[in-house]
Amino acid sequence: AQSVTQPDIHITVSEGASLELRCNYSYGATPYLFWYVQSPGQGLQLLLKYFSGDTLVQGIKGFEAEFKRSQSSFNLRKPSVHWSDAAEYFCAVGSWDGNKLVFGAGTILRVKS
Amino acid sequence: DAGITQSPRYKITETGRQVTLMCHQTWSHSYMFWYRQDLGHGLRLIYYSAAADITDKGEVPDGYVVSRSKTENFPLTLESATRSQTSVYFCASGGGQTNGYTFGSGTRLTVV
Repeated sequence: AQSVTQPDIHITVSEGASLELRCNYSYGATPYLFWYVQSPGQGLQLLLKYFSGDTLVQGIKGFEAEFKRSQSSFNLRKPSVHWSDAAEYFCAVGSWDGNKLVFGAGTILRVKS
Repeated sequence: DAGITQSPRYKITETGRQVTLMCHQTWSHSYMFWYRQDLGHGLRLIYYSAAADITDKGEVPDGYVVSRSKTENFPLTLESATRSQTSVYFCASGGGQTNGYTFGSGTRLTVV
């Protein structure tokens, strides 16, 4: 069965600074990988996804993520963080033989001015 | 309106009572899911459905029942609520994981 680890529970960055949120997955084959964002009191919004092709994927709101098979990672990045990016971010992995997603525990991003 | 809606948004119930959380989507998506969100655990899958009349257990199904008689509805029932079921519940739907899934706004359930 697939699993996801997000090593950082909280991250604080300054507005305008770059951001990288870590995600490591466990799955025997090529996984389907996703990043979702959740603002307080809201549901989850899909930022980006990967399931084949170019290992660097672009998403909404200026986010990107890179799939690295050798490291079993799918880290989320943004070159310049805005205060509105403060939220909780979830990495998720799906499997080719099922259609259900397994989520990591989430990383809470705080942005300081 | 198009989208995925959950009701109620907030619910307080007593231990031992039955409670049903509703989920409705207007896209005719095949797949629907119920997750619960708890601090430190992220989202854990309770049940999912690949189509009407097809449901399957997820990671934490005990104490929950689902049905899917119509494609657009996927209610989640807590047969006898316990305090450990206090959580935020999210419903999601989609045509398949290659497109990702769309989540509802959640139901915050408190069992007292």
